[in-house]
Amino acid sequence: QSALTQPRSVSGSPGQSVTISCTGTDSDVGGYDYVSWYRQNPGKAPKLLIYDVYERPSGVPHRFSGSKSGNTASLTISGLQAEDEADYYCHSYAGEYTSVFGTGTTVTVL
Amino acid sequence: EVHLVESGGGSFQPGGSLRLSCVASGFNFGIYWMHWVRQAPGKGLMWLSRIEGEGPTTAYADSVKGRFTASRDNSKNTLYLQINSLRVEDTAVYYCARHGATIDYWGQGTLVTVSS
Repeated sequence: QSALTQPRSVSGSPGQSVTISCTGTDSDVGGYDYVSWYRQNPGKAPKLLIYDVYERPSGVPHRFSGSKSGNTASLTISGLQAEDEADYYCHSYAGEYTSVFGTGTTVTVL
Repeated sequence: EVHLVESGGGSFQPGGSLRLSCVASGFNFGIYWMHWVRQAPGKGLMWLSRIEGEGPTTAYADSVKGRFTASRDNSKNTLYLQINSLRVEDTAVYYCARHGATIDYWGQGTLVTVSS
């Protein structure tokens, strides 16, 4: 169960869009449509943003969107806001009831 | 409202054991799968374990299999994580989390520090 690969950091100006990639294998990201995304602010627990690749829980703004192609999932934040500065993690089901998280990406709003 | 509260963290010596608890409220605890996830200081999230609502089915990350044991007492709405043969690298914030459609609700975490 190796961690999914995410870029260490991405940045953008307010109003721009940023995309975070999450690369796994056929045994996790590529094998199941069970990819989730979380935002974590310093000292806080993660918060669910996206599940099942592109589904948004109630209360999560539409500017957060998810997608997947092959072994790579992506989270796009449109209309970047200062409050979006945080760490973001992807997560995937990896078979036999196991899970794996991504390495994490720090989003900086310039 | 879903509420998860972990406890049992603190300072421990290498080689020792500990048991973390997670008390759940605001939902029908007994029918949900639950997870344990940890985060070492300044590091990313690491999935540790998942346990079925009725308890018999569990799964573990390969790196903790044999040392970590998840269990639950549905009559007490409580999830547990037993950690044996503690190592310095077990130092982390340990979170319990509920599995709805995915890992959807998290506790605030409890800090475990392992040092001599």
